[in-house]
Amino acid sequence: AQSVAQPEDQVNVAEGNPLTVKCTYSVSGNPYLFWYVQYPNRGLQFLLKYITGDNLVKGSYGFEAEFNKSQTSFHLKKPSALVSDSALYFCAVRGPSTDSWGKLQFGAGTQVVVTP
Amino acid sequence: EAQVTQNPRYLITVTGKKLTVTCSQNMNHEYMSWYRQDPGLGLRQIYYSMNVEVTDKGDVPEGYKVSRKEKRNFPLILESPSPNQTSLYFCASSLSSGGTDTQYFGPGTRLTVL
Repeated sequence: AQSVAQPEDQVNVAEGNPLTVKCTYSVSGNPYLFWYVQYPNRGLQFLLKYITGDNLVKGSYGFEAEFNKSQTSFHLKKPSALVSDSALYFCAVRGPSTDSWGKLQFGAGTQVVVTP
Repeated sequence: EAQVTQNPRYLITVTGKKLTVTCSQNMNHEYMSWYRQDPGLGLRQIYYSMNVEVTDKGDVPEGYKVSRKEKRNFPLILESPSPNQTSLYFCASSLSSGGTDTQYFGPGTRLTVL
């Protein structure tokens, strides 16, 4: 079975400071990992994904994420946070086997609050 | 514009009154899925469809039905809604059922069952 943990319900950061949102996963085999963002009263928007290759993945809006196989983590980062980055962030994982392709497992979400 | 649409966006209903939430995508995607979002639980998958006439259960299928008679539409049916189905529902689609494909989400349907 695959699972995702986002250990922080909320992350508070001042504008201009680095932002990190943590995610750890459990899956058999090599994972496919995704980050999505949800702004208030909106659907989820795709930020970035890791499939294979370079452990550092760059995505939309200046976000990046680092895949760490030994720590089974896929933390989302942004060097300099903006107030407009305040939103709910979800990490998701899918296993490599064809049996699990249809199933995308989401974490509980992390609320990011960026203060001016 | 490429998009996933859901209707209605908001719905208040009573226990036991059958309802359908529609989902449609205009991207010719093979894969479609339904999720529910509850505070502290993230998104949980209800049902998914790898292609027309192919559907399968997700993690929380009880109390829901789906059908995929045509590629673009994937309605979610609640035959006898109960208050524990009060939630925010999202439909999503992706180009194929391949594990690497990105899912694109609809705007959500907020359902309240009294």
